[in-house]
Amino acid sequence: EVQLVESGGGLIQPGGSLRLSCAASGFTFSSYSMNWVRQAPGKGLEWVSYISSSSSTIYYADSVKGRFTISRDNAKNSLYLQMNSLRAEDTAVYYCARMTTLHLDYWGQGTLVTVSS
Amino acid sequence: QSALTQPRSVSGSPGQSLTLSCTGTTSDVGAYNYVSWYQQHPGKAPKLMIYDVTKRPSGVPDRFSASKSGNTASLTISGLQAADEADYYCCSYAGSYSWVFGGGTKLTVL
Repeated sequence: EVQLVESGGGLIQPGGSLRLSCAASGFTFSSYSMNWVRQAPGKGLEWVSYISSSSSTIYYADSVKGRFTISRDNAKNSLYLQMNSLRAEDTAVYYCARMTTLHLDYWGQGTLVTVSS
Repeated sequence: QSALTQPRSVSGSPGQSLTLSCTGTTSDVGAYNYVSWYQQHPGKAPKLMIYDVTKRPSGVPDRFSASKSGNTASLTISGLQAADEADYYCCSYAGSYSWVFGGGTKLTVL
């Protein structure tokens, strides 16, 4: 069974940093591209970042470019999102999601990041 | 990119058929056959319902079908059931390894 479990969320002050993790199991993690998608409270989904299976290709939404860094450790079956210079508008539930031929087929349950003073 | 346009809400009675729309541009929905639809119940993670415009993952009932015409994609739910009450999001590949979601449609079963 495919499982994706996010962790690392919490309350952080504006300008602060946070690192999210996503532990994958039930599939060959190193064979799949992965993504982060976020959802602000009461709002819709927003794609955040993409990383290919080998980490050779990485892309970001304009809203986080230069502040967020996606990475992965295939030996540890883990995906990460380093978030710096956090803003109030970054407050959201962050989901990691597996990608198969340009669609997101499995999602984690999400981790809540709250940016507030 | 701007979000895809979805109606904020739709409603229907059990047994009815409903169609949810998703309008994009020639840079996303109109450019690629990589439209997907996700169902999200309150407090839960999104669930893939349709991918590649018309394909259903295993386990998704055939009551769910989808299509695309030009810059507009559509999701049709037939034989509406109480369990279908949820938020539905469309998503399109927008090129250069970027994706754009719709604002979501809240489906209410009366």
